[in-house]
Amino acid sequence: GAGVSQSPRYKVAKRGQDVALRCDPISGHVSLFWYQQALGQGPEFLTYFQNEAQLDKSGLPSDRFFAERPEGSVSTLKIQRTQQEDSAVYLCASRRQGSNQPQHFGDGTRLSIL
Amino acid sequence: AQSVTQLDSHVSVSEGTPVLLRCNYSSSYSPSLFWYVQHPNKGLQLLLKYTSAATLVKGINGFEAEFKKSETSFHLTKPSAHMSDAAEYFCVVSDTGFQKLVFGTGTRLLVSP
Repeated sequence: GAGVSQSPRYKVAKRGQDVALRCDPISGHVSLFWYQQALGQGPEFLTYFQNEAQLDKSGLPSDRFFAERPEGSVSTLKIQRTQQEDSAVYLCASRRQGSNQPQHFGDGTRLSIL
Repeated sequence: AQSVTQLDSHVSVSEGTPVLLRCNYSSSYSPSLFWYVQHPNKGLQLLLKYTSAATLVKGINGFEAEFKKSETSFHLTKPSAHMSDAAEYFCVVSDTGFQKLVFGTGTRLLVSP
């Protein structure tokens, strides 16, 4: 399809396990964002890439969170030693070049930590 | 820092009646403002955006919003609600620099027959 694709759609992990969440942006979109949406809340910014460069990671909640986009396309958000408070929906968005372009969102990955 | 406040956590309307979802923003410069909709277990869909062109912005599915600088508001309206409009609506402002999005807390729209 032509939209942002995220996988898996649902992920259940035991506390302490590592998880990896994948985002395939829209082809040709230079900018990529990750957001975290806790239950009943609005999404909150985690990190931003322009091509392969991670230009802002100020929203990552701890050093257990790590994101990469090695070839400037697909991105992976990794969470190490998961905790219950990591349970949330993780949304990926991509955007064309240009600051006034809208962000297009994937359907998200719902992460549940038991 | 930029921020938005959504004044209602829930709004209930009857099908066929008007919809009003309220949003106030705080910004030190002329902001870019958006409304996104989120249906259950789905991602966010852009309804409309304001980027300092016309103050009345028309979006998809019959929604529109008016930017009022004097009131620092960006309320979302629709003349006649449909059942399919029931969803969570987010008012959003883009931050400076690379323009990450800053979301409000959301308004859940309930539409009854």
